[in-house]
Amino acid sequence: DAGVIQSPRHEVTEMGQEVTLRCKPISGHDYLFWYRQTMMRGLELLIYFNNNVPIDDSGMPEDRFSAKMPNASFSTLKIQPSEPRDSAVYFCASSFPGEYETQYFGPGTRLLVL
Amino acid sequence: KQEVTQIPAALSVPEGENLVLNCSFTDSAIYNLQWFRQDPGKGLTSLLLIQSSQREQTSGRLNASLDKSSGRSTLYIAASQPGDSATYLCAVKYPETSGSRLTFGEGTQLTVNP
Repeated sequence: DAGVIQSPRHEVTEMGQEVTLRCKPISGHDYLFWYRQTMMRGLELLIYFNNNVPIDDSGMPEDRFSAKMPNASFSTLKIQPSEPRDSAVYFCASSFPGEYETQYFGPGTRLLVL
Repeated sequence: KQEVTQIPAALSVPEGENLVLNCSFTDSAIYNLQWFRQDPGKGLTSLLLIQSSQREQTSGRLNASLDKSSGRSTLYIAASQPGDSATYLCAVKYPETSGSRLTFGEGTQLTVNP
C-alpha cells in the first residue's frame, strides 16, 4: 500500500483565497483524521470521520473551515476565505480500529497564506 | 483538562549514548499511549503503542514504559545513532467517551551528534 496520500504537498496562496487540501486514506481504514501542526500550538486534531461520517469536529477553528468525506477513499479540508494565521502543516491520518489501533500519517500539506 | 507534557523540549547527545525521553499526562485513565517519530518535513511514524494494561513495549533499540498511577511514560533509546535524530512525540488516547481522539505532547527534538 502507498500509505496515506495528501495533495498538494505545498500551497502558497493569498489571503482571502479558497484553499482545498486532499487526502486519500489507506485502503480498508475506516477512520480518517485531519490535524494541524504549528510551532505555537503543536499538533491539533481538527476533525475525524468514521465510515465517512464526521464524528468530532470540535477542533475545527471556525466556520471558515469545512471537511468532507464523500467516500471511503477521499476526503477534503477546505478553508474559505483563508487568512495568514491559517499557515501551518496540515496532516491527514487514517486507522483501522482495534486493540492495537495505530494512526498512519500522510506527509502533510505545508500551507502558507500571504 | 487532559494534557500531555514532554520534557525536555530539545536534547542533544553524542552518538552511542543511551537516553530517556519523558512524557507525562494529567488524567491517568488512559486507553493507550503511543510514541511517534517525526522527521523534518515529514509526517509522523508510530514507533510503539502501549495498552493501559501493559507496562512496556520493546522494538529493537527502543523501549517504552508506562506507569499509569504516576501519569508517566518514558522512551528509552539504547546506543543512539545520528539517524535517530528527529522529533519524538507521545500521544494519549482516552476511553471510548472521547472517541478516537489522540492528545499529543509538544515533542522532544533529539539531535544525536556523530
